[in-house]
Amino acid sequence: SQQGEEDPQALSIQEGENATMNCSYKTSINNLQWYRQNSGRGLVHLILIRSNEREKHSGRLRVTLDTSKKSSSLLITASRAADTASYFCATDAGSARQLTFGSGTQLTVLP
Amino acid sequence: EAGVAQSPRYKIIEKRQSVAFWCNPISGHATLYWYQQILGQGPKLLIQFQNNGVVDDSQLPKDRFSAERLKGVDSTLKIQPAKLEDSAVYLCASSRGGGAETQYFGPGTRLLVL
Repeated sequence: SQQGEEDPQALSIQEGENATMNCSYKTSINNLQWYRQNSGRGLVHLILIRSNEREKHSGRLRVTLDTSKKSSSLLITASRAADTASYFCATDAGSARQLTFGSGTQLTVLP
Repeated sequence: EAGVAQSPRYKIIEKRQSVAFWCNPISGHATLYWYQQILGQGPKLLIQFQNNGVVDDSQLPKDRFSAERLKGVDSTLKIQPAKLEDSAVYLCASSRGGGAETQYFGPGTRLLVL
């Protein structure tokens, strides 16, 4: 079963706009990570946020975590066509220290 | 630093045939993971190795799938015999330690079972 579920499943925006995607999960976590996957390629780690953190930034990325609502959001500012990809949240929960991935958000940035 | 290497990149086989995938993790990474990613879904962990020992293989269909990591470096994942539902991308990832910190993924092997 998948721990994290992303919303929306698909998102299409114009270049320069901001993109927001959300992740909800079911159990307490140690940390939550976001990965990007370009078509036909492997996953690339974007950012990790620990359970005691509420917000992190990395370049044009901003991640928030609300453990009371068991949710996270990924904001990409000033999007570019190269940001077109699938974005996955992955949760590290319990003592197994393994990642469980959601089903992803497919982001399309139109030039 | 070289990334995670996988081969082959693509494989087409008929059902009931066998297939093997190879993975070379980033040098010095103790933990190696194999994931199965079905089209439209997120990756699902099949097996996790720490050095050359298995940490978790609870989601590995052991009647047909096997994996090994000899000498704690390279790993192979085998399917025998393959079924139609095994069509997927098989991803290998590695990380430095045993915790679920950042994982580094290879490009994957796309398998089509006819």
